[in-house]
Amino acid sequence: DIVMTQSPASLSVSPGERATLSCRASQSFSPNLAWYQQKPGQAPRLLIYDTSTRATGIPTRFGGSGSGTEFTLTISSLQSEDSAVYYCQQYHDWPRTFGQGTKVEIK
Amino acid sequence: EMQLVESGGGLVQTGGSLRLSCVASGFTFSSYAMSWVRQAPGKGLEWISYISSTSSSIESADSVKGRFTVSRDNAKNSLFLQMNSLRVEDTAVYYCTSRGYYMDVWGAGTTVTVSS
Repeated sequence: DIVMTQSPASLSVSPGERATLSCRASQSFSPNLAWYQQKPGQAPRLLIYDTSTRATGIPTRFGGSGSGTEFTLTISSLQSEDSAVYYCQQYHDWPRTFGQGTKVEIK
Repeated sequence: EMQLVESGGGLVQTGGSLRLSCVASGFTFSSYAMSWVRQAPGKGLEWISYISSTSSSIESADSVKGRFTVSRDNAKNSLFLQMNSLRVEDTAVYYCTSRGYYMDVWGAGTTVTVSS
């Protein structure tokens, strides 16, 4: 199985600042990586697929990059509504696997 | 608007069975592969099952293989998850999601609680 490891486990960022979330894969692949946002009590929402393509309706402040084993989600200017847990997920191989999540808090 | 609505969750004892359902609307269900993803209380996301649009291809996580069976009825825009031999560790919110690669539409989830 491809193990997805996210870092940091949590981070606190001031409004308007940049947040950088990392996701490392145990095997190399590209571009089959997605990012999701999950707020408390809600289902996850797809943010990014194919490493860098924003899903429908996702603000441009969310950006994805990376290849191989290293992937990054960047929130360029954090808004209060971005407080959530973010998960990466690979769809290069079966089983599909998620990272353990990064919790983003607003300072 | 693409929408998925799950049902069928509840409280069951270890060793018991449940059948989850998911009804799709707002898109051509028969053209989409579908997946089930679960989330244990306070934990992360776990993909558990995939079925192709024609049911010709099915994949399952090792944690549920041999116990859970995914199926679909394209005429009724419905996805199912038959869960047998339930364990305490199967306690989770179960989400129906569209596609089998990235998952772009999610239902609100249905809660399954397995008690000993």
